[in-house]
Amino acid sequence: AQKVTQAQTEISVVEKEDVTLDCVYETRDTTYYLFWYKQPPSGELVFLIRRNSFDEQNEISGRYSWNFQKSTSSFNFTITASQVVDSAVYFCALRGYQKVTFGTGTKLQVIP
Amino acid sequence: GAGVSQTPSNKVTEKGKYVELRCDPISGHTALYWYRQSLGQGPEFLIYFQGTGAADDSGLPNDRFFAVRPEGSVSTLKIQRTERGDSAVYLCASSLRDRDSPLHFGNGTRLTVT
Repeated sequence: AQKVTQAQTEISVVEKEDVTLDCVYETRDTTYYLFWYKQPPSGELVFLIRRNSFDEQNEISGRYSWNFQKSTSSFNFTITASQVVDSAVYFCALRGYQKVTFGTGTKLQVIP
Repeated sequence: GAGVSQTPSNKVTEKGKYVELRCDPISGHTALYWYRQSLGQGPEFLIYFQGTGAADDSGLPNDRFFAVRPEGSVSTLKIQRTERGDSAVYLCASSLRDRDSPLHFGNGTRLTVT
């Protein structure tokens, strides 16, 4: 069974602050893939980043960075210098051998 | 290129009626997923196709729900004897076969059962 937990329901930050979204996962698969998606108020889910289970190197892409720690089953996502356009619901997702399982989402509000 | 297309965008139906929701994936994407999303919740997995066959239908809530993908492209989600609890946004996504390929989502069909 797969499970993705996003304990933070809602977060509010002031524009230009950094914000980290937490994600903890459970899976029995030895190889798996982790994703972050953004769902703005318009509703369409948009892919942001991915990481596979055998590569724990953390990366930065523009204002986005992620911290994957297999030992704690966590895949946290950080937005640097947040902007109002970052306001959205963010979903962490896990793909094992078959389906993709999503967390319940974290609603991020960036206040100008 | 064109993204994932879902029709209709909105569907209002009476309790007990039959509905069909259509998904047209990105050309060349062999994997197709159906999810259901209720207000304030994450996408809930329903069924996953790889080509024409359902690779995993463990998320279908009961036998009123059925999905097909006869030619490995367009898929139809069918709901019989709709109930008010079926009201939600039904999302379709497609991806390449590779497991690290991200899902590309459509805009969803908002189903309201009155």
